[in-house]
Amino acid sequence: DARVTQTPRDKVTEMGQEVTMRCQPILGHNTVFWYRQTMMQGLELLAYFRNRAPLDDSGMPKDRFSAEMPDATLATLKIQPSEPRDSAVYFCASGPGDSYEQYFGPGTRLTVT
Amino acid sequence: AQSVTQLDSQVPVFEEAPVELRCNYSSSVSVYLFWYVQYPNQGLQLLLKYLSGSTLVKGINGFEAEFNKSQTSFHLRKPSVHISDTAEYFCAVSSDTGKLIFGQGTTLQVKP
Repeated sequence: DARVTQTPRDKVTEMGQEVTMRCQPILGHNTVFWYRQTMMQGLELLAYFRNRAPLDDSGMPKDRFSAEMPDATLATLKIQPSEPRDSAVYFCASGPGDSYEQYFGPGTRLTVT
Repeated sequence: AQSVTQLDSQVPVFEEAPVELRCNYSSSVSVYLFWYVQYPNQGLQLLLKYLSGSTLVKGINGFEAEFNKSQTSFHLRKPSVHISDTAEYFCAVSSDTGKLIFGQGTTLQVKP
């Protein structure tokens, strides 16, 4: 049963600290998405990749957020420095490309104090 | 540009009653349409999709949706809901830039 995995599942950190979230997409999927979900803003697209190349990161605060795909089996989202307003659930999703289907991971719940 | 409107933020319904969750979209190009479900403390799960062909699409857990091009709608229906269907439901439309545009979500509350 192929699934998107995300680590860590929960992260509590202090303001100013660096946070790194990791995602393993489903094997064979060539698109990867990062979303943020909050009660106030709902589901927001932060960035997405196709064939490891970033296609759109316009939803990401550029001064503190960065997203990369070091290889086809790993996507990372970093926040440096973190702020309390970054507290949210961060989801990774992957898809087989042209069909637009996306399969979501379980999310990383980030709390910045 | 594409957009999605979910007309109801919350839908309360009694167990075994039918339910319809409404979704309207706007797009100037051909679209793919999706419904996702999110149970508490979980990620979004694909419920069903419309890519082409028959306008009536059947998904998991007894849900179905009908694509209506003239009304630009993709409403989700279930003839008889269960307590376990209590969740957040998201409608999504494909964009011309390779990503999905999600609606704000509808909370389905099934009461005993």
